[in-house]
Amino acid sequence: GENVEQHPSTLSVQEGDSAVIKCTYSDSASNYFPWYKQELGKRPQLIIDIRSNVGEKKDQRIAVTLNKTAKHFSLHITETQPEDSAVYFCAASTSGTYKYIFGTGTRLKVLA
Amino acid sequence: NAGVTQTPKFRVLKTGQSMTLLCAQDMNHEYMYWYRQDPGMGLRLIHYSVGEGTTAKGEVPDGYNVSRLKKQNFLLGLESAAPSQTSVYFCASSSGTSGGKQFFGPGTRLTVL
Repeated sequence: GENVEQHPSTLSVQEGDSAVIKCTYSDSASNYFPWYKQELGKRPQLIIDIRSNVGEKKDQRIAVTLNKTAKHFSLHITETQPEDSAVYFCAASTSGTYKYIFGTGTRLKVLA
Repeated sequence: NAGVTQTPKFRVLKTGQSMTLLCAQDMNHEYMYWYRQDPGMGLRLIHYSVGEGTTAKGEVPDGYNVSRLKKQNFLLGLESAAPSQTSVYFCASSSGTSGGKQFFGPGTRLTVL
């Protein structure tokens, strides 16, 4: 069935360093790839997304890259800050139902 | 706009009891979804709806039923709760015009004893 693998499950970085989280998807029909940030006890919040006709998208310190051939996409956070500490989820979706298959999440800790 | 709201926020059930979780959205979204979130397993899709009067199974539908009688509401029912259904439940909605971006409710924490 459809599957999204996400790595690493935990990631610790020093404040100011970069963080990279990687996801691989199985369904070649997937064409939309959002990233969500979830703080403890809160709902997931969309932070950035990319569509299959684009290879890279950037929003200030956050960027996402997509390799359709290899079926993987990555989240890049530069100049990390303590408030970036949270759990990050990737997902893959297809047009029509727009249902998501989520990765299992990455707990990011930014050490001051 | 309230966005996506969920009722109740917390609930404790005994094994075998039933309950209904309510999700409401005021964004006129066609699509609605129910997820459960368990530690280390991310969010898993239970059921979803692509429009009023429609429902479909997701990844983990067993033990749950849903109804979408009105476009703005999506109900998740547990007929006979089991301890394995202890989880945090999130509702989300999206629109084709937004390209499938899903907006989440605040969640319901359910404990089944």
